[in-house]
Amino acid sequence: DTAVSQTPKYLVTQMGNDKSIKCEQNLGHDTMYWYKQDSKKFLKIMFSYNNKELIINETVPNRFSPKSPDKAHLNLHINSLELGDSAVYFCASSQARRRHNEQFFGPGTRLTVL
Amino acid sequence: GQQLNQSPQSMFIQEGEDVSMNCTSSSIFNTWLWYKQEPGEGPVLLIALYKAGELTSNGRLTAQFGITRKDSFLNISASIPSDVGIYFCAGQSETSGSRLTFGEGTQLTVNP
Repeated sequence: DTAVSQTPKYLVTQMGNDKSIKCEQNLGHDTMYWYKQDSKKFLKIMFSYNNKELIINETVPNRFSPKSPDKAHLNLHINSLELGDSAVYFCASSQARRRHNEQFFGPGTRLTVL
Repeated sequence: GQQLNQSPQSMFIQEGEDVSMNCTSSSIFNTWLWYKQEPGEGPVLLIALYKAGELTSNGRLTAQFGITRKDSFLNISASIPSDVGIYFCAGQSETSGSRLTFGEGTQLTVNP
């Protein structure tokens, strides 16, 4: 009965490779997010989709491309991976029609670029 | 842009002690959220606050939404070793849509 799930949990890859991270939520929420958490533990929003529409697109290299096939899924594809992309990536979801936006997070994907 | 200052950055306490941490914002918020992140896991929502002055408890945790709507605090009473983790505050303003602004986190260490 996992609420927000991500795969894989760990991802180790070489520089220059292309990789994807997948996220699914079964909470019936209409909005999903990708966050990056660096080594200092700061949570930085990257993207957000509401009902498959991109609504937040922070200053992120265009090597990062989110895709939302439906409102329960949000994937993150990263091209030409760089050392600085190493971080933990969290997916989150919320019901944004509500005035108060409680976001629920997945367990994270630890990406290590060698 | 909006900024959240969370303090302290870290705390080292003995089991049984009470803990207090707070966040202050440069903007007015209509929602304050407190999360806890344990090693290797995602942040878990502990308490949500919706009104200025609101005081809400969750077990040994108590959080308050500041009267000015620019601050919030979280107290943990009688700490235990499993309270260890990073505690984040997050706020949502009227103009930010679904975007949350996060504090930088308070790393809590509890010594048995």
